[in-house]
Amino acid sequence: QKEVEQNSGPLSVPEGAIASLNCTYSDRGSQSFFWYRQYSGKSPELIMSIYSNGDKEDGRFTAQLNKASQYVSLLIRDSQPSDSATYLCAFKAAGNKLTFGGGTRVLVKP
Amino acid sequence: GAVVSQHPSRVICKSGTSVKIECRSLDFQATTMFWYRQFPKQSLMLMATSNEGSKATYEQGVEKDKFLINHASLTLSTLTVTSAHPEDSSFYICSARNAGQGAGDTQYFGPGTRLTVL
Repeated sequence: QKEVEQNSGPLSVPEGAIASLNCTYSDRGSQSFFWYRQYSGKSPELIMSIYSNGDKEDGRFTAQLNKASQYVSLLIRDSQPSDSATYLCAFKAAGNKLTFGGGTRVLVKP
Repeated sequence: GAVVSQHPSRVICKSGTSVKIECRSLDFQATTMFWYRQFPKQSLMLMATSNEGSKATYEQGVEKDKFLINHASLTLSTLTVTSAHPEDSSFYICSARNAGQGAGDTQYFGPGTRLTVL
C-alpha cells in the first residue's frame, strides 16, 4: 500500500463547478497535511495546510481533514480554467520530510 | 515572504560532466532544505534532506557519492550531480523549511532546475 493515495484523474469539471479531490494516507501518526498545486513544467506551490480535524477555508479552497478515517480532501469552488493543474496531497513524516501522493490532474473546461 | 530561488533554471550538459544546482532561501533562514527529483508524469521523490552545518541524509536508493549536497549556510544549499548520465535527466526541485519562530512546518519550493544530459 502506498503511503499516500490519490486518484490520478484527470478530473474534468465545468467552469464554475466544484472540484472535489480526495487523498488517503497510511501513517496514523501524521499531524500535518498539505495541498500543493503544480502546473506543468513548474514546481509545486502551497495552497493549504491543515492540522486539525474539520474544515479549513481559504478563498475558493476548502480543505477537510478526518484523522480517524485517514482522509484529507480539497474542494475548489467556482472552478476556473486557471485551476487546471495537478494537485498534490502531502503529509509530514518523521524528520520533517514530506511524503507526496501521485497527484490528481484537474481539467476545468470553459 | 518565504521565497526560494534555484539556479540555474535549466541546464544541458554532456554525459560525464558534473552539474551544480543552487537553492537559496531569500527572505528567511532555513536550517533544513530538501532535494527532490521528478520524472515526467510522476510525483516528487525526495532524494535527501540537507541540514545546515552537518551531513545530508539520503533516502534509500540515492547514491550519496553521486549526488553531493552541501548546506554551508542558513540560506544556501547546493546539489552537485557528479558524472551525470542521460538517466539523471530530470526536474530537480529544492524546498526549504522556515526555521523562524511561529513559521510552522511548511516547506516552500524553489522553481526547479530542469537537467538534460546528452
